[in-house]
Amino acid sequence: EAQLVESGGDLVQPGGSVRLSCAASGFTFSDYWMSWVRQTSGKGPEWVATISQDGTDKYYVDSGKGRFTISRDNVNKLVYLQMISLRVEETAVYYCVKGARTMDVWGKGTTVTVS
Amino acid sequence: DIVLTQSPGTLTLSPGERATLSCRASQSVSGNYLAWYQQKSGQAPRLLIYGATNRATGTADRFSGSGSGTDFTLTISRLEPEDFAVYYCQHYGNSPWTFGQGTKVEVK
Repeated sequence: EAQLVESGGDLVQPGGSVRLSCAASGFTFSDYWMSWVRQTSGKGPEWVATISQDGTDKYYVDSGKGRFTISRDNVNKLVYLQMISLRVEETAVYYCVKGARTMDVWGKGTTVTVS
Repeated sequence: DIVLTQSPGTLTLSPGERATLSCRASQSVSGNYLAWYQQKSGQAPRLLIYGATNRATGTADRFSGSGSGTDFTLTISRLEPEDFAVYYCQHYGNSPWTFGQGTKVEVK
């Protein structure tokens, strides 16, 4: 069974940084695009970033360009999201997701609080 | 960016009733790249429908998707107790891939 487990969420000050990690298991990790999606309490999800199978193609939400970096380690089946210059409004649960377009496996999420 | 508007915001129905959820896009969704997700309280979203009409693995056949262009619908033919949740539509044509604000299906 495919599983994703996020970690790294924290309480950070505005302007601070955080690095999220996601460990994948139960599927051939290197065959799939991977994404991060965030969700603020009571609101719809917001796509944040996506990376191709080999890491060469990356896409970001406009508000994250220049501040967010998505990366992956196919040997250890990990995907990362480095975020800098964080804003209060980026407080959210951050989900690691298998896929780029149809997101068919989600982790339980890790919480980033910017305050 | 494509804005997805879902209606109604809340749907109050009884088990066994039919639910019809709407998702309207601000511009045509290329390739009918439209998905529906279900989210229960405290859980991550779960993919139900992709390509506007295709059920994802494990999706019960009481769930069906329809529509094209800018207007899409998710129908739950007969509500089961486990179907009361929030439903989101998402387009995945050209980036950025956006979600609607959700429709909550609650028990009457």
